[in-house]
Amino acid sequence: KAGVTQTPRYLIKTRGQQVTLSCSPISGHRSVSWYQQTPGQGLQFLFEYFSETQRNKGNFPGRFSGRQFSNSRSEMNVSTLELGDSALYLCASTLEGGGGREQFFGPGTRLTVL
Amino acid sequence: AQSVTQLGSHVSVSEGALVLLRCNYSSSVPPYLFWYVQYPNQGLQLLLKYTTGATLVKGINGFEAEFKKSETSFHLTKPSAHMSDAAEYFCAVRGFRAAGNKLTFGGGTRVLVKP
Repeated sequence: KAGVTQTPRYLIKTRGQQVTLSCSPISGHRSVSWYQQTPGQGLQFLFEYFSETQRNKGNFPGRFSGRQFSNSRSEMNVSTLELGDSALYLCASTLEGGGGREQFFGPGTRLTVL
Repeated sequence: AQSVTQLGSHVSVSEGALVLLRCNYSSSVPPYLFWYVQYPNQGLQLLLKYTTGATLVKGINGFEAEFKKSETSFHLTKPSAHMSDAAEYFCAVRGFRAAGNKLTFGGGTRVLVKP
């Protein structure tokens, strides 16, 4: 079974631009979560989508948005990029059912903002 | 709100020595607890998890963790470190009654294994 895939793996943008990152979950997983990882702030939850609806949202500005498609694939968008948005963005998918359900993580997209 | 504290951002151990990584959580109700490992330029991989039942949990690669409700702790151990254990380790929690799958992570502990 294929794991969580994220594209692209690396991205370089300049301040003020916008970016779209893509995540394909494991087949059958309908929940997709996004996290931002930086050396200073660690791993922070961005948002979660389930059945095309945002179920949870972290404490990030409105420049960060996401969506989920009917095939459970998800995208996140960051508009008006700032230097501080440079980070590893991780996507995770989950098979619903049971409290101990595991999140499976993709390899991440490393975004560098110049 | 839940929080997770990992004591020590860096730990150095000798090959063959005990690995002990500390994790404490703050929650009025014991949450679901997880340990993840991250190797360079990779995503996170689950080592083990505590849901309910047995408080000593065994995971992959020889790791285990013990849930102690009275101490609100979930420390990770491995009896004998191997060079391949060099990585960053994250403790995470999810609320027992939480809707959805949001994880709250600790700050991480980077493990260095000396030959």
